[in-house]
Amino acid sequence: DADVTQTPRNRITKTGKRIMLECSQTKGHDRMYWYRQDPGLGLRLIYYSFDVKDINKGEISDGYSVSRQAQAKFSLSLESAIPNQTALYFCATSDPNRGRETQYFGPGTRLLVL
Amino acid sequence: EDQVTQSPEALRLQEGESSSLNCSYTVSGLRGLFWYRQDPGKGPEFLFTLYSAGEEKEKERLKATLTKKESFLHITAPKPEDSATYLCAVQATSFQKLVFGTGTRLLVSP
Repeated sequence: DADVTQTPRNRITKTGKRIMLECSQTKGHDRMYWYRQDPGLGLRLIYYSFDVKDINKGEISDGYSVSRQAQAKFSLSLESAIPNQTALYFCATSDPNRGRETQYFGPGTRLLVL
Repeated sequence: EDQVTQSPEALRLQEGESSSLNCSYTVSGLRGLFWYRQDPGKGPEFLFTLYSAGEEKEKERLKATLTKKESFLHITAPKPEDSATYLCAVQATSFQKLVFGTGTRLLVSP
């Protein structure tokens, strides 16, 4: 079984709809991240959480919110989806060793906003 | 501002034709440099972490090296299954987050 899972894997929604993307991990890591990937722009950080009580904005958090329900679960919500949020979304986890960060990624969710 | 630039954007090789991918970085203080492989429609797969200039790591046909300004991913005698996008990322000593480059798309033809 995969260590980091994301649901759904594909989602089509309409402008203005609220949607939630979910991430679960069995790696036992405290740190979790949400990224989006767009062609030519690389991976950009949306939100990150170092533990259940610690949530931080990344470089492109506007229009998104997150919830860390447990150590193993981190959800990303789009409160009112817009077409430029069409992208690939990835969840990642890490367990830094002496401050060094290796992040492990889920399989991604492909989101299309019409 | 921390930055990562990868070149070339795309590279086409014949099977067995060795080459190198470049990752140039600007960071206030390097905590670590990371290489990932990403197949179409999938999440990035971790390959290597390099921590200090002069360090090298190898895995099968891949070898990653690090200097104070750049990292190279050397691919020796590539096979078609090595076709993927290769991503480079850096972590600065002052931040917990990774900064990614836009990747190099590698296509290896039989």
